[in-house]
Amino acid sequence: GAVVSQHPSRVICKSGTSVKIECRSLDFQATTMFWYRQFPKKSLMLMATSNEGSKATYEQGVEKDKFLINHASLTLSTLTVTSAHPEDSSFYICSATDGAYEQYFGPGTRLTVT
Amino acid sequence: DAKTTQPTSMDCAEGRAANLPCNHSTISGNEYVYWYRQIHSQGPQYIIHGLKNNETNEMASLIITEDRKSSTLILPHATLRDTAVYYCIVNQASYDKVIFGPGTSLSVIP
Repeated sequence: GAVVSQHPSRVICKSGTSVKIECRSLDFQATTMFWYRQFPKKSLMLMATSNEGSKATYEQGVEKDKFLINHASLTLSTLTVTSAHPEDSSFYICSATDGAYEQYFGPGTRLTVT
Repeated sequence: DAKTTQPTSMDCAEGRAANLPCNHSTISGNEYVYWYRQIHSQGPQYIIHGLKNNETNEMASLIITEDRKSSTLILPHATLRDTAVYYCIVNQASYDKVIFGPGTSLSVIP
C-alpha cells in the first residue's frame, strides 16, 4: 500500500526555538495533507488541511502564526512549530491523500520542548 | 464533533473474536463507516470501511445494521498485537478530513 513518512520521528528542542516536521508521500501524489496533534491518552485533533500550492486551512483554535504549514509540492508538506514552548510538546501526525481513493497516515513525530 | 459513539474500553481474550460496537445514528445516506486503529505511539492504520453491505478483508469484518445506525467491527481471532485504540469514523469519502472521537481502547489479554 501507499506509504507516508514523517521526519524526524522524534525531536527535542529548547523553549523558544522553532522546529520543522516533514511529511512525505512516497509513492503517490498527495493533493491534500492533513496535520493532527495528539496529547497523551487523548485522541487525534485535526489542526489544519494543506492543499498543494495554496494556503493551509486551520481548524478553529489553532494559531496559524504558530503552526506554519507549507505544501509546496505534491509529495511534501511541512509543519513548523515556531517559538515552541513546553505546552507544544505532543505527537504530531500527518495524513495524505490523492483526493481520489485512500488516505494514509504517517507514523508520527514526537516533539518534546524543554 | 465526532458523529459516532463507542465504548471507552474493552477486553478480549487472545484467540477469541473481538467485537467492537459503534453507534452512528445520525449517519447520512451518502456517508460511509470507516474503522481505523492506532497502536501505541504509531500513526492510525486503516482497517475497513463500508456503506451498507457487510464487508470482510484480511484484517477484519464489518457488520452494518440494516438501518445503518450502528455497526460492529469483528477481529475474528484477536492477538496481542491487536491491542490498540479503535476508531469508528463516519465520512463521505476516504479522502475527506478525519474527525476522530475518543475511540475504544481494546486490550487483548493472554
